[in-house]
Amino acid sequence: AQKVTQAQTEISVVEKEDVTLDCVYETRDTTYYLFWYKQPPSGELVFLIRRNSFDEQNEISGRYSWNFQKSTSSFNFTITASQVVDSAVYFCALSFPNDYKLSFGAGTTVTVRA
Amino acid sequence: DGGITQSPKYLFRKEGQNVTLSCEQNLNHDAMYWYRQDPGQGLRLIYYSQIVNDFQKGDIAEGYSVSREKKESFPLTVTSAQKNPTAFYLCASRPRGGNTIYFGEGSWLTVV
Repeated sequence: AQKVTQAQTEISVVEKEDVTLDCVYETRDTTYYLFWYKQPPSGELVFLIRRNSFDEQNEISGRYSWNFQKSTSSFNFTITASQVVDSAVYFCALSFPNDYKLSFGAGTTVTVRA
Repeated sequence: DGGITQSPKYLFRKEGQNVTLSCEQNLNHDAMYWYRQDPGQGLRLIYYSQIVNDFQKGDIAEGYSVSREKKESFPLTVTSAQKNPTAFYLCASRPRGGNTIYFGEGSWLTVV
């Protein structure tokens, strides 16, 4: 069975602090895709990043970075120098080739205080 | 502007009535999806369609129906058989050959 776990329910930080969101997934498939989506108060789900299972290179994109480790089945996401506009619910998700249906974690609510 | 448009944004219905949520995309995407979100929870898949005139049940299809008569449209009907229809509904689409799903702005349905 495929499963995504986000153990952190809520995180509260002061502006300019770094925020790291944890995501652990379960699958026996060798080819899969991992995602992070952001859901601001408006409700729309915004795509942030995607990682393919065969590419463990970690990258930085602006204030976002991610750490993908197949050995521990983790796909953690970091926001550097957080801003109030980063306040949202963040979802980790998993999908597979063919239909690419997303399986979501329960989400982590991030609150950035000025 | 290209994108995924859901309407209406807010909808109120009486219990026992069917209601249809609209989802239109002008991105020329082949695949479309419907997800449901309950407060404080993740998203769950209702139905998806990878091609016109074909669709598949997701994890929570009971009480819902869909159609895919046109590539750009994937309406969702919430029937009276759905026991707890009050939720936030998100439509999404994916381009042919792509592996990323993009979402619309969502529709809030309240059944009283």
